[in-house]
Amino acid sequence: AQSVAQPEDQVNVAEGNPLTVKCTYSVSGNPYLFWYVQYPNRGLQFLLKYITGDNLVKGSYGFEAEFNKSQTSFHLKKPSALVSDSALYFCAVRDSLNQAGTALIFGKGTTLSVSS
Amino acid sequence: DTEVTQTPKHLVMGMTNKKSLKCEQHMGHRAMYWYKQKAKKPPELMFVYSYEKLSINESVPSRFSPECPNSSLLNLHLHALQPEDSALYLCASSQDRGTGTSGPYEQYFGPGTRLTVT
Repeated sequence: AQSVAQPEDQVNVAEGNPLTVKCTYSVSGNPYLFWYVQYPNRGLQFLLKYITGDNLVKGSYGFEAEFNKSQTSFHLKKPSALVSDSALYFCAVRDSLNQAGTALIFGKGTTLSVSS
Repeated sequence: DTEVTQTPKHLVMGMTNKKSLKCEQHMGHRAMYWYKQKAKKPPELMFVYSYEKLSINESVPSRFSPECPNSSLLNLHLHALQPEDSALYLCASSQDRGTGTSGPYEQYFGPGTRLTVT
């Protein structure tokens, strides 16, 4: 079965410290992985994706993610957190079993709280 | 312009009402999506349109009826909803389904319509 796991419901970090939001996946075939962020009462915003190539992917707002095939992980990172980064973060993988080609399987989400 | 717009922002309807949600994008995207999202939960895919044709219907009850009048517009018609249908309804679009070697493409989401069924 294909799945995405975000093992932490909440991550707390102080402003200026590095942050990591964890994601692991289980898929058939090549993993196509995404990170989205959702601010309160808003839609999801695309941060970055891994399709192929470099294991370190750089995205919007200073975020990056590291693809690790052996650990089946795609953790989201940022060197220095901002209070404005506080939001709900979703990891997603393309559903390779869906012939329409575009459906995403989302993790349950991780709430990031950055304190000043 | 990387914006997906949705109207209305809020909607309160009774269980016997008929209403419609609207979504529009002008990015030239050829795939459009409807999702349902409960509070603090991930979005649940409802429908996918690709080149104005319905390509995915995730076993959604018939009281939800999608329509794609043209490549820029997506509607969701609502009829005889239940209180448990109250949720944030999100529209998204992407360049296309991304089944080729360059895909998949990221999806751009609208701000959503907050639906309350009374």
